[in-house]
Amino acid sequence: GAVVSQHPSWVICKSGTSVKIECRSLDFQATTMFWYRQFPKKSLMLMATSNEGSKATYEQGVEKDKFLINHASLTLSTLTVTSAHPEDSSFYICSKIDSSSYEQYFGPGTRLTVT
Amino acid sequence: ELKVEQNPLFLSMQEGKNYTIYCNYSTTSDRLYWYRQDPGKSLESLFVLLSNGAVKQEGRLMASLDTKARLSTLHITAAVHDLSATYFCAVGNAGNMLTFGGGTRLMVKP
Repeated sequence: GAVVSQHPSWVICKSGTSVKIECRSLDFQATTMFWYRQFPKKSLMLMATSNEGSKATYEQGVEKDKFLINHASLTLSTLTVTSAHPEDSSFYICSKIDSSSYEQYFGPGTRLTVT
Repeated sequence: ELKVEQNPLFLSMQEGKNYTIYCNYSTTSDRLYWYRQDPGKSLESLFVLLSNGAVKQEGRLMASLDTKARLSTLHITAAVHDLSATYFCAVGNAGNMLTFGGGTRLMVKP
């Protein structure tokens, strides 16, 4: 299957600091990638659609100034959590889609803990 | 607004038994996904169902899709302990985003 990597796999940061999470497509180019968030024992919620070369599309209720998304190349999307607070602690997972098979592949996730 | 409901949310079953997880969704879609998630891990793709009547099987798991009823099922045959995990269904839309069900936490007891 297609490969998606994320870095870091886990991060602990202090309140008020910013954290950048990278999502890479290792096998084929991805003009579109997706960012999801999962709270403990909950389901995944789509945060935003990352579009290469243009602005991300955010879901309702997701603050675009807090969750900065940059899709600077066809293989890399980044999510920056700015001025993180403890309520931002979550599991962040990115994904991409194979447009021929509609298979959607998920990265291994990044566990963010804000203290 | 698309809503995806799974049931049951929690399932405890004995090894060797059969059971079905149901996934209902509220608006038209012809793209239905099933994923498995182990604790602390990301999602593992199980099935992608792309048409009405689609049925796919892998090992002890079989998934089906009825787009007219807006229902997908994941059937477990002769469960084994290794199947213990959380299973999610998700519905795709025209923008390729996925809306997930609440998940079914499956525990298979020896």
